[in-house]
Amino acid sequence: AQSVTQLGSHVSVSEGALVLLRCNYSSSVPPYLFWYVQYPNQGLQLLLKYTTGATLVKGINGFEAEFKKSETSFHLTKPSAHMSDAAEYFCAVNAGGTSYGKLTFGQGTILTVHP
Amino acid sequence: EAGVAQSPRYKIIEKRQSVAFWCNPISGHATLYWYQQILGQGPKLLIQFQNNGVVDDSQLPKDRFSAERLKGVDSTLKIQPAKLEDSAVYLCASSSAGGSEAFFGQGTRLTVV
Repeated sequence: AQSVTQLGSHVSVSEGALVLLRCNYSSSVPPYLFWYVQYPNQGLQLLLKYTTGATLVKGINGFEAEFKKSETSFHLTKPSAHMSDAAEYFCAVNAGGTSYGKLTFGQGTILTVHP
Repeated sequence: EAGVAQSPRYKIIEKRQSVAFWCNPISGHATLYWYQQILGQGPKLLIQFQNNGVVDDSQLPKDRFSAERLKGVDSTLKIQPAKLEDSAVYLCASSSAGGSEAFFGQGTRLTVV
């Protein structure tokens, strides 16, 4: 079984500041890990994913995340926030090797960006 | 490439009524998923299809929810009778057999009053 905990349901940053969204997971098998973004009244868009190999993964819109097995974490970062980054972000996990869409999601983190 | 299409976008019904949602996945995608996203929560998988067969429906409340994918393409999700707690966004997603990503539709927002 898998589970995901996102620390902080709301994160607020200033434009140009570092974005850090935290995600910890639990998995009984080697996990595949994902970050999705959801804009109001829209579906989910994949930002990045970790399956195997390099533990630092880069995604769209300047986001990246690092898989840390020892800490069971997959935190999402972006060096400089932009107003357009304001959205809700979901971390998700699935059992490695299963269908990529069979996901267990965290509860989400709403990112607010102030000018 | 057209994305995952869902309809309707919004639906308001009274409790105990029935409702159906429709999903058209990306062409050629064999796997289709239905998720329920309650306000303030992450999406929860309800059912997964591979072609027209059910792979996993362990979290589908089968006493009131049903889903089908008769020809391995479009899918419908039905709720009968609806309860207040069914108010949520219902998301459809699809992925290809060798793909590395699931693509989500915009969802159907259901309000049960």
